[in-house]
Formats: sequence, structure tokens, C-alpha cells
Amino acid sequence: GAVVSQHPSRVICKSGTSVKIECRSLDFQATTMFWYRQFPKQSLMLMATSNEGSKATYEQGVEKDKFLINHASLTLSTLTVTSAHPEDSSFYICSARENLRETQYFGPGTRLLVL
Amino acid sequence: GQQVMQIPQYQHVQEGEDFTTYCNSSTTLSNIQWYKQRPGGHPVFLIQLVKSGEVKKQKRLTFQFGEAKKNSSLHITATQTTDVGTYFCAGQYVDMGRRALTFGSGTRLQVQP
Repeated sequence: GAVVSQHPSRVICKSGTSVKIECRSLDFQATTMFWYRQFPKQSLMLMATSNEGSKATYEQGVEKDKFLINHASLTLSTLTVTSAHPEDSSFYICSARENLRETQYFGPGTRLLVL
Repeated sequence: GQQVMQIPQYQHVQEGEDFTTYCNSSTTLSNIQWYKQRPGGHPVFLIQLVKSGEVKKQKRLTFQFGEAKKNSSLHITATQTTDVGTYFCAGQYVDMGRRALTFGSGTRLQVQP
């Protein structure tokens, strides 16, 4: 099956620093990648949809200047949490979708803890 | 915006009992997908239903898509401890030309051996 990797798996940082999370599709080309946020025991909240070569589409309430998304290639999307604060601590999960297919394949997630 | 409601939030069953989770959308969906997330893990795709009234089976799991394509259910027969996890439905709809996936709140299943 399709594999999506995410790096790092866990990060602890100080308040005010920026954190970059990478999402890679390992054995397929992902024309679309999605970034989700999940709080403990809650559902996945879509943050943004990223299409290769174009600007990401952000969901309502998600600050685009705070969560920078770059989808530079068909296998890589990055999410940068800028000037992170403790309230940004969460589980961030990416997913990738192959062109013309509906199934999303999820990465293993990144646990971010901002002190 | 579109909403996907899922019930129950939590279910505790004895091993061998059946389990069902229900999903309801406020709008007609183009398809519905089901995912399972083990504690500490990430969502894993189980199945996708596209056609009105569709029923699909995977061993002890039975998935249904309603006639109006607004609701769905997942039924597990004779649960096992390996079924433990949170089951999410995710409805796909077209919004202003953009295909978006909205996740339900999930049903957390606990199976008592």
C-alpha cells in the first residue's frame, strides 16, 4: 500500500521558535496533501489543503501566516509553525492523495510540544 | 459549513459482542470513507463507499452507505480485542469546486476480554 512518512515524529521547542514538519509520499506522487491537527481524544481538524505548485487553501480560522505550507514537489509538503506558542502544542498529521484517486494515506503524525 | 456527526462517542463491549457506529452528514456526500486509529497511532484507511445504498464487507466489518448518501454505518460482528481503537467516518463533498473531507468526531471502542 501507499506509504506516507512524516518527520520529525516528535518535537519539543521553546515558545517563539519556528518548527518545520515534513510530509513525504514514498511510493506515489501526491498531487494533493492535507494537513490536520488533532487534540487528545478528538477528531481530526483539517487545517489546509495543499496542491503541488500552487498556494495552499486554508480552512476558516487557520492563520496562513502562522502555519506556512509549501508543496514544492509531488512527494513533499512542509508545514512550518512560526513563532510557536504553547497553545500550538498538538498532534499534526499530514495525508496525501494520488491524482484522480479519493483515498488519503496518512502519515504517522508529529507531536509538537511548545514550552 | 458541512458537518459530519458520529455516534456514539464511546462504546465499551465484551469480547464477542457486536458493535455499531453511525455517521450522519448535514449534506449529500460524494462518498464516505472510514478510518481506524489505534491509541497513539494515526488514522488508517479502511474503506470507501460511493454508491447510494452500497454495502461492503471486510471479514467481520460491514459498512453501509445510506440511500440519500447522507448517512453511513460500520458494524463489527463478534468484536475482538484487536478491534480496540477509534473509528472515524469522513465524508467527502464538493465545496466550491474543492473536494474536501470532513471527519466525524469518532467512536472510541473498548473491548473487554
